[in-house]
Amino acid sequence: QQQVKQSPQSLIVQKGGISIINCAYENTAFDYFPWYQQFPGKGPALLIAIRPDVSEKKEGRFTISFNKSAKQFSLHIMDSQPGDSATYFCAASMGIQTGANNLFFGTGTRLTVIP
Amino acid sequence: SAVISQKPSRDICQRGTSLTIQCQVDSQVTMMFWYRQQPGQSLTLIATANQGSEATYESGFVIDKFPISRPNLTFSTLTVSNMSPEDSSIYLCSVTLVAGLGEQYFGPGTRLTVT
Repeated sequence: QQQVKQSPQSLIVQKGGISIINCAYENTAFDYFPWYQQFPGKGPALLIAIRPDVSEKKEGRFTISFNKSAKQFSLHIMDSQPGDSATYFCAASMGIQTGANNLFFGTGTRLTVIP
Repeated sequence: SAVISQKPSRDICQRGTSLTIQCQVDSQVTMMFWYRQQPGQSLTLIATANQGSEATYESGFVIDKFPISRPNLTFSTLTVSNMSPEDSSIYLCSVTLVAGLGEQYFGPGTRLTVT
């Protein structure tokens, strides 16, 4: 059973455009929601993360929007650049409540930014 | 963050043999994890490596197949035993730092091909 559902599977965006990736979860015990960026042949790199006590977090061109009631969160990449072309994974854990930091990952979104 | 290294970075192994993967971190960590990522797929947690005690395995993974050691705070090994072609994957270690807030950082991965 996929604990975190991610869409779309792939995304093509023009340079300068906004990339939006969505994730949904069912387990209300999740209390930590990170996004990872992975380039081919590399390990996932932590991009940005949010906890459920805030609805939005912004770091540079990357923004997480969080909707606790809908159990959804999304990643927005503003002014998308060709260098952003990578696979993005959302994830969730219940580390704060239980101390169990193991992450449940979405299925990934392959982003291609066209020059 | 932390510098996480894995050895080997890749290997090609014969069916029925075993491979031990090492993970070394340059900072004090609280938790270490091992994940598997099959080609083009998401990440699946294999186990949590516990210092000085047996690892905690996720459903579908057993100690006889994936023995794990963690002799100190900054080092762990994962062995893939009696390999079959289905074990061909990328194996990743990840850590949470003592000085962090539960963020999880990944190593570069070990790409294993079983023939």
